[in-house]
Amino acid sequence: QSVLTQPPSVSGAPGQRVTISCTGSSSNIGAGYDVHWYQQHPGAAPKLLIYGNSNRPSGVPDRFSGSKSGTSASLAITGLQAEDEADYYCQSYDSSLNGYVFGAGTKVTVL
Amino acid sequence: EVQLLDSGGGLVQPGGSLRLSCAASGFTFTNNAMSWVRQAPGKGLEWVSGIFGGGDSPWYADSVKGRFTVSRDNSKKMVYLQMNSLRVEDTAVYYCARFRGSGSYKAYSFDSWGQGTLVTVSS
Repeated sequence: QSVLTQPPSVSGAPGQRVTISCTGSSSNIGAGYDVHWYQQHPGAAPKLLIYGNSNRPSGVPDRFSGSKSGTSASLAITGLQAEDEADYYCQSYDSSLNGYVFGAGTKVTVL
Repeated sequence: EVQLLDSGGGLVQPGGSLRLSCAASGFTFTNNAMSWVRQAPGKGLEWVSGIFGGGDSPWYADSVKGRFTVSRDNSKKMVYLQMNSLRVEDTAVYYCARFRGSGSYKAYSFDSWGQGTLVTVSS
């Protein structure tokens, strides 16, 4: 069982907005540690999508946005496109485990 | 362009050893801490280990502590993961990843990834 909790799947029609939640606890997100998000297509390596809760690396479309509040964080994808169909993972640091932790991943399906 | 090339995976028996390698290019290697992250078949991501740019103070996930050793050769721009006493549950694709961040290592993210190398532990 992952330290960070994500919904197993979300779906939306092209052009719609979807959000993925990432719920932690007082030893990780709630302790103030940054949350980062990754996109992984089947058979490929993960790709950094959002770092430091809400920052996009160069080249990541502004359709992707991140936020954090309390013990949770969220990734929003607006204007959903076919190529957004992938697995998405949140990541933070956990002071109880003294290491980096990931959510179990959320599969985004474009209907 | 940042490139990370993972290699060294394969089939090994339980209790055996394997050494993974990661060749880095396209950035000032000593400026970045490096890490290994693994992904069991059909499962999520699991951080394994990290090492600072100077090669000091490596740190590990509890699941591999005492069995795995991370090192780096800055002259060759290489990172290694020596895996001993391998278990069936260590079966995974292992990714070399570059840490992104300044300041506290607790704020690090993984901003570049290798293609991964598959380690299968089975008798």
